[in-house]
Amino acid sequence: AQRVTQPEKLLSVFKGAPVELKCNYSYSGSPELFWYVQYSRQRLQLLLRHISRESIKGFTADLNKGETSFHLKKPFAQEEDSAMYYCALSRPNTDKLIFGTGTRLQVFP
Amino acid sequence: EPEVTQTPSHQVTQMGQEVILRCVPISNHLYFYWYRQILGQKVEFLVSFYNNEISEKSEIFDDQFSVERPDGSNFTLKIRSTKLEDSAMYFCASSRTSGIDNEQFFGPGTRLTVL
Repeated sequence: AQRVTQPEKLLSVFKGAPVELKCNYSYSGSPELFWYVQYSRQRLQLLLRHISRESIKGFTADLNKGETSFHLKKPFAQEEDSAMYYCALSRPNTDKLIFGTGTRLQVFP
Repeated sequence: EPEVTQTPSHQVTQMGQEVILRCVPISNHLYFYWYRQILGQKVEFLVSFYNNEISEKSEIFDDQFSVERPDGSNFTLKIRSTKLEDSAMYFCASSRTSGIDNEQFFGPGTRLTVL
């Protein structure tokens, strides 16, 4: 069965520090991977997807098929990055998103 | 910017009662979804809907659940006889396309509390 694992429930850093939010997945095929973000009192929104290979708000994520990982990184965290981050996977030919349990990122001033 | 809306924001019901959760997807979107998140747990897929039919459903989406697009704008999730374990945040989402370009836009959620 497909699964997404986010090992950290909470990640606390100071402003300006690098951030890495971990995501590992289990799926034998070629998945599509996403990062969704939920800021305080806001809705879940797409941050980035591996297929677009973009950098959004300074965040990047690289799909590593060998390690089955899709870690989210930012070199210098900002206070406004504080939010809940969810890694998600979908298989080919389905729109069903399989989410991880989420990591809360706290960026202190 | 268009957004998915959901009503009500909070619904409290007695066990065994029927509830209908309502969603208005973004107007030019064709694909619709329901997810739920039990407190402290992960967001779980319930069902996807396209062209007035269910495209895919999870094992959670049993006979107690149904979805409908009763008119050109609303998309509803009905739970026929609620159970305590149905208490959760229910999210509606919509997307313009399916497959590789699929981007799902989520609503703010409806918190369902079953007493």
